[in-house]
Amino acid sequence: AQSVSQHNHHVILSEAASLELGCNYSYGGTVNLFWYVQYPGQHLQLLLKYFSGDPLVKGIKGFEAEFIKSKFSFNLRKPSVQWSDTAEYFCAVNAGQGGKLIFGQGTELSVKP
Amino acid sequence: DVKVTQSSRYLVKRTGEKVFLECVQDMDHENMFWYRQDPGLGLRLIYFSYDVKMKEKGDIPEGYSVSREKKERFSLILESASTNQTSMYLCASSFPLLGQGGGYTFGSGTRLTVV
Repeated sequence: AQSVSQHNHHVILSEAASLELGCNYSYGGTVNLFWYVQYPGQHLQLLLKYFSGDPLVKGIKGFEAEFIKSKFSFNLRKPSVQWSDTAEYFCAVNAGQGGKLIFGQGTELSVKP
Repeated sequence: DVKVTQSSRYLVKRTGEKVFLECVQDMDHENMFWYRQDPGLGLRLIYFSYDVKMKEKGDIPEGYSVSREKKERFSLILESASTNQTSMYLCASSFPLLGQGGGYTFGSGTRLTVV
């Protein structure tokens, strides 16, 4: 069965630090990849997505992610985090099963001012 | 602004009760989904539907059922609530092709506590 793994469960950073959150998936075929964010008390929102083309994808709020097919990875990055980036981040994969998304376990990011 | 609306934000039910969680979307989406969100486990798919009166089991369907009588409404039913069903329940909807509209639109969630 397809699966998505986020290795970092809780990340704590100071403001202006750089961020990289890992995401790996297990599926050998064509995939569509997503990162969602859930700010405290709010619903999940789409940060960015990859369907095809340039493997470096830019999203909202300065986030970007790189699809590396050979590593089955889609890591999320941001050069300089802000306190307002404190949230939980979810990686998700659509792996050829209609419109169904498989989510990772989530990474909680805490940014200290 | 497109919306997925879940009928209750917080719900407390007793063990053994039959529980209905309602979800309505106004985006004319064909696909609708029910997930539960638990700390450390992420989002796990309970049931989904690609069309009216159609349903498919997700990864953790045991103890749940669903109903989709109208395109815009997708109901999750806990036949006999148990304490291990205490969780945050998230409804989502999308077009059939995830490239349309960029994936899922989520509701705000229903936090269900079973006592």
